[in-house]
Amino acid sequence: DTAVSQTPKYLVTQMGNDKSIKCEQNLGHDTMYWYKQDSKKFLKIMFSYNNKELIINETVPNRFSPKSPDKAHLNLHINSLELGDSAVYFCASSQVLGGQSDTQYFGPGTRLTVL
Amino acid sequence: DQQVKQNSPSLSVQEGRISILNCDYTNSMFDYFLWYKKYPAEGPTFLISISSIKDKNEDGRFTVFLNKSAKHLSLHIVPSQPGDSAVYFCAARSASGTYKYIFGTGTRLKVLA
Repeated sequence: DTAVSQTPKYLVTQMGNDKSIKCEQNLGHDTMYWYKQDSKKFLKIMFSYNNKELIINETVPNRFSPKSPDKAHLNLHINSLELGDSAVYFCASSQVLGGQSDTQYFGPGTRLTVL
Repeated sequence: DQQVKQNSPSLSVQEGRISILNCDYTNSMFDYFLWYKKYPAEGPTFLISISSIKDKNEDGRFTVFLNKSAKHLSLHIVPSQPGDSAVYFCAARSASGTYKYIFGTGTRLKVLA
């Protein structure tokens, strides 16, 4: 009964490939996020969706495309993978956007290694 | 331009003593602050939060203090336990627009038995 789950946990792939990371939350939250934690341990927001609507789209290459088929899912598709994409990607969700109830709950992370 | 800074990358404390983790920020528009704890190979876990209209929030062994004039917040853990050994991140939320959170780079706490 994991609250926020991500698959796969580890992903090793070659440069130039296309890959997807899936995220699901069973908390009934309205908002979902993707974060990237790079080698320097910075945890940076990439995207957020509220009720399936894109809210935050940080300066992320357009090779990265989030897709939210419903409120419980936010998948991340990455085209033409590059070495610099190697990082840990975290999915998160929060009950609402803003207010006092937007504490974010994180998934376990997906460690992506591009060779 | 890192808007949220945790200047101590690591901290070691004896079991039973107080752990104090610090966080500084530069944006006066931040309205909500959170602390997260992270174990290796796991996602960050929410610990405690504080609104900008308060200066203190307490939850069991964890207390967060906010000094808005100094743009500084701290997390106190007392008494510290070996299970508290983890990386602690502070995060600050922008009050405008997208309610984006900015995270610090983390402080690794080691509680020595």
